[in-house]
Amino acid sequence: EVQLVESGGGLVQPGGSLRLSCAASGFIVSGNYMSWVRQAPGKGLEWVSVMYSGGSTYHADSVKGRFTISRDNSKNTLYLQMNSLRVEDTAVYYCAKEAALRPGGAFDIWGQGTMVTVSS
Amino acid sequence: QSALTQPPSASGSPGQSVTISCTGTSSDVGGYNYVSWYQQHPGKAPKLMIFEVTKRPSGVPDRFSGSKSGNTASLTVSGLQAEDEADYYCSSYSGSNNLVFGGGTTLTVL
Repeated sequence: EVQLVESGGGLVQPGGSLRLSCAASGFIVSGNYMSWVRQAPGKGLEWVSVMYSGGSTYHADSVKGRFTISRDNSKNTLYLQMNSLRVEDTAVYYCAKEAALRPGGAFDIWGQGTMVTVSS
Repeated sequence: QSALTQPPSASGSPGQSVTISCTGTSSDVGGYNYVSWYQQHPGKAPKLMIFEVTKRPSGVPDRFSGSKSGNTASLTVSGLQAEDEADYYCSSYSGSNNLVFGGGTTLTVL
């Protein structure tokens, strides 16, 4: 079965760090375009980061310099390292797979999401 | 990147059709044929309903259709059913390896 399972969310103080994981099954993470998308409580979706199959990475301006997307091919897992966290980073974080090898935003597979709460 | 503009709400009776708009600029919606639409039920992950403006993933009913004119994309749901009640989000590639979403539209089936 093709699926994504996120983990690593939790409560962290402003300025703290957290690493999210996204374990894939049924397909190869390194052979696909993979993104992180977040959703603040009661709000809309916001694209965060993408990693292409070739290894290139890109981040939204709102997280640039603070968040880093990466992957471990041996574990077929995608990660999001989040540093210098702010209250406004509080959200459910989803990992998602692009349907094709192009950055079109057509995410056909989504994880269940993991909640990150940044609060003192 | 500014979010794409969607109406906060839309509604229709069972069997009717409803269209949700998604307005951007020539730098996103108008500049690329990479507009997608997602359906999200409360507490669930989004589900891809339309990609590349008009294409439907397998398993999505043909009651759902997409279109684009200039800087505005649209999602039309025909033959409304109770299970169509959900939040709908559009997204568009916006160049330079960036993606932008709309603010979301809550569809109510009356």
